[in-house]
Amino acid sequence: GAGVSQSPSNKVTEKGKDVELRCDPISGHTALYWYRQSLGQGLEFLIYFQGNSAPDKSGLPSDRFSAERTGGSVSTLTIQRTQQEDSAVYLCASSFSTSGGALNEQYFGPGTRLTVT
Amino acid sequence: ILNVEQSPQSLHVQEGDSTNFTCSFPSSNFYALHWYRWETAKSPEALFVMTLNGDEKKKGRISATLNTKEGYSYLYIKGSQPEDSATYLCASPRGKLIFGQGTELSVKP
Repeated sequence: GAGVSQSPSNKVTEKGKDVELRCDPISGHTALYWYRQSLGQGLEFLIYFQGNSAPDKSGLPSDRFSAERTGGSVSTLTIQRTQQEDSAVYLCASSFSTSGGALNEQYFGPGTRLTVT
Repeated sequence: ILNVEQSPQSLHVQEGDSTNFTCSFPSSNFYALHWYRWETAKSPEALFVMTLNGDEKKKGRISATLNTKEGYSYLYIKGSQPEDSATYLCASPRGKLIFGQGTELSVKP
């Protein structure tokens, strides 16, 4: 079956521009997560959607970052006024989740490599 | 703040060697411990989700043990192969998954 897909796979943007990253989760997965990995860093949690509950935004690094999930499926991560420190690989994951993914493995997409010049 | 720590940060072994690395996590309010494998240019892939103290899980040549009382998990690879080269991540859920920094394994033929 189809896995988690993300687009674009690579994005180069100029400092100050806005970018949108898209994630299509596995059909039927109720939970969706965004992470990023900056150069030399570990995997950093950004935001988590579970069903119709309010998203857990506790990992978003600044108010320039926002995300939405429409119809319980596709999600878009938006970064406004990009900065060079936003350069990273942005990963999306989905799962059949309850309790914040405690017991359910997450399925990751291939990621979007964002480069801010 | 939950700290999930992994060691070593990187590991270089020869093909055929067996190896192991460690994930440590706060033992209080333990719920589960995840292991993922992340190969270069691919997506992270789940290996194990462990929940019970003393649990041991196995997938092929890879196995993992869990000690929830002292807050650590070991991942073992028996007879390493070049295709085992990857970053191995552990993660602990606290409303969301908190990942360790990973152990980068390189297996030379």
